[in-house]
Amino acid sequence: QSVLTQPPSVSGAPGQRVTISCTGSSSNIGAGYDVHWYQQLPGTAPKLLIYGNSNRPSGVPDRFSGSKSGTSASLAITGLQAEDEADYYCQSYDSSLSGPYVVFGGGTKLTVL
Amino acid sequence: EVQLVESGGGLVQPGRSLRLSCAASGFTFDDYAMHWVRQAPGKGLEWVSGISWNSGSIGYADSVKGRFTISRDNAKNSLYLQMNSLRAEDTALYYCAKGGVQLWLTSFDYWGQGTLVTVSS
Repeated sequence: QSVLTQPPSVSGAPGQRVTISCTGSSSNIGAGYDVHWYQQLPGTAPKLLIYGNSNRPSGVPDRFSGSKSGTSASLAITGLQAEDEADYYCQSYDSSLSGPYVVFGGGTKLTVL
Repeated sequence: EVQLVESGGGLVQPGRSLRLSCAASGFTFDDYAMHWVRQAPGKGLEWVSGISWNSGSIGYADSVKGRFTISRDNAKNSLYLQMNSLRAEDTALYYCAKGGVQLWLTSFDYWGQGTLVTVSS
């Protein structure tokens, strides 16, 4: 069971907008720690998609955006394309008593219909 | 171009040991924290361990604490993971990932392609 909770799957038609949520707690996202997002295409290593809650690395299309509020964060993808079909993971930091730790969400599989 | 190349994976019996290596190039290795992240077959990402630029700060996931040891050799631009007392549940693809200047809080901006560890009798 992951410290950060993501929906197992989301789907959308080409051109549509989808969002992926990432819910944490007061010891991670709610404590003010940044959230980062990764895209993992089938059979490949994860790729950094969003860092520091809402920043895109060079080369990432502006169709991808991130936000954070309270104990949750979201990844939004607009103008959905077939090539966006992948697994998406959120990541943050947890400062619980037995920590600190890097924590990931369980991942969300995006299907482009 | 940043490159991270993992090696050392393979098939190992439960209770035995294995040492993974990650060769880094394309950036100033001793400026950055480094991490190991694993992915069991068909499962999600799990952070394993991280080490600061000067090895002064180290962290482990509870699942590997006391069994795994992370280390680095800045002179050789290399990261290591010594894995002892291996269990079936350690079976996974192990990724080396580049962190930020700090050990904690920052994202992983580059990843290797991974090395597969299979623990089975």
